[in-house]
Amino acid sequence: GDSVTQMEGPVTLSEEAFLTINCTYTATGYPSLFWYVQYPGEGLQLLLKATKADDKGSNKGFEATYRKETTSFHLEKGSVQVSDSAVYFCALNQAGTALIFGKGTTLSVSS
Amino acid sequence: KAGVTQTPRYLIKTRGQQVTLSCSPISGHRSVSWYQQTPGQGLQFLFEYFSETQRNKGNFPGRFSGRQFSNSRSEMNVSTLELGDSALYLCASSFGHPGGLAGEQFFGPGTRLTVL
Repeated sequence: GDSVTQMEGPVTLSEEAFLTINCTYTATGYPSLFWYVQYPGEGLQLLLKATKADDKGSNKGFEATYRKETTSFHLEKGSVQVSDSAVYFCALNQAGTALIFGKGTTLSVSS
Repeated sequence: KAGVTQTPRYLIKTRGQQVTLSCSPISGHRSVSWYQQTPGQGLQFLFEYFSETQRNKGNFPGRFSGRQFSNSRSEMNVSTLELGDSALYLCASSFGHPGGLAGEQFFGPGTRLTVL
C-alpha cells in the first residue's frame, strides 16, 4: 500500500540555519502531498501542499517541490527561527482515501 | 470562524472501561475524520464520516466505533479500553469528501486519553 517515509529526528539547528527535512513516498497513481506542522499541545496545521508533479508548495518561508521522478517532497526553509520548533509531518492522499502520514520529524531551533 | 473543537481535552480511564470523545467541525464542514497519534505508531487513520455515513475505515479493532450526526458533529467510542489505547485522538474536518479536496483537512487540538 501507499506509504510515507521521512527522516528521523530530532533535528537541532541554530537560528538562521538552513533546514531540510527529507520525505519520500510510495504510491500508485498520482497522490497529493502535504506538510503538516504540530506545535506543542496543539493539533496539526497544514503548512503547504502540492497536488501534481513539479508543483511547489510554499508558506511562511517553507517550500517543498513535488518530484515524481524521485518520489520525494522535501521540506526546506532558508533561515529557521526559534518559533519554527515543532514536529513536522509529511503526508499523502489519493482521491477517496484518508491521509497517510510519515512518522514525524521533531525540529528544535535554538537562539 | 471557530476551528475544530474536541471535548474533553484530557481523559483518564481504567482498563475495561469505555469512553466517548466528541468533535465539532468547522461550521459548514461536512466531513470528519479521526486519527490516533502515539509515539510508537505515529498518526494512524481510524475512520472518516461524510454526511452521517462512514466512508472509510482504518485497520482498528471493532472496539473502536464512531458516528456522525446531522449537524456534522461526530463522536468516537472505544469500548473495553486497553493500556495500548492511551493516545492523542485527533479529529479533522473538511468541507467536502477529503479525497475530493486533495486532503485539506483542519485539525482540532485533540483529546489526550490515558488508560491506567
